[in-house]
Amino acid sequence: GDSVTQMEGPVTLSEEAFLTINCTYTATGYPSLFWYVQYPGEGLQLLLKATKADDKGSNKGFEATYRKETTSFHLEKGSVQVSDSAVYFCALKVGGTSYGKLTFGQGTILTVHP
Amino acid sequence: EAGVAQSPRYKIIEKRQSVAFWCNPISGHATLYWYQQILGQGPKLLIQFQNNGVVDDSQLPKDRFSAERLKGVDSTLKIQPAKLEDSAVYLCASSLDGTKAYNEQFFGPGTRLTVL
Repeated sequence: GDSVTQMEGPVTLSEEAFLTINCTYTATGYPSLFWYVQYPGEGLQLLLKATKADDKGSNKGFEATYRKETTSFHLEKGSVQVSDSAVYFCALKVGGTSYGKLTFGQGTILTVHP
Repeated sequence: EAGVAQSPRYKIIEKRQSVAFWCNPISGHATLYWYQQILGQGPKLLIQFQNNGVVDDSQLPKDRFSAERLKGVDSTLKIQPAKLEDSAVYLCASSLDGTKAYNEQFFGPGTRLTVL
């Protein structure tokens, strides 16, 4: 079946540090890939997405590139801020009878210190 | 535009009791999802509705969980009887049309259930 594996966390960084959160996937079809963010006390929000190989999703300084050859969608940000502290989820969606169903990774907790 | 509304935000019950959660999706959204998020894990789909019909309930423990979406608008998820392992956050999400891969899912704030 479909699955998503994220790097083990939590991740703790100082402000302005470089961030990478690894994400790899297995899928039975051709998936769309997503990063969601969950701030404390809030619901999941879509951060960025990519729908085909070599696409780069970007938002709020975060980027991720859909790599079909390595089945990866790693999240990066060049300079993190305290306000980026949250839980980040990688997810995929495959078309078919369960169109729209998201399969999530386990989440990575990011804490950024001043 | 109002987001996905859920209530209650928190619920504490004893095992073997019953509990119900309510979700009001974004107006006009045809597809509604219920996810279960256990602490330390990513959300897992329990059930998906397209209008008022069930599209996918393969991960729903049907011996104790039930859900309905009357009139294709708001939805209720029920657990009866609850077990300790049901302690989790229950997330509701909606999409304009889940049959279209490009349509985004919007999530509510969730209901945190604690079963003692």
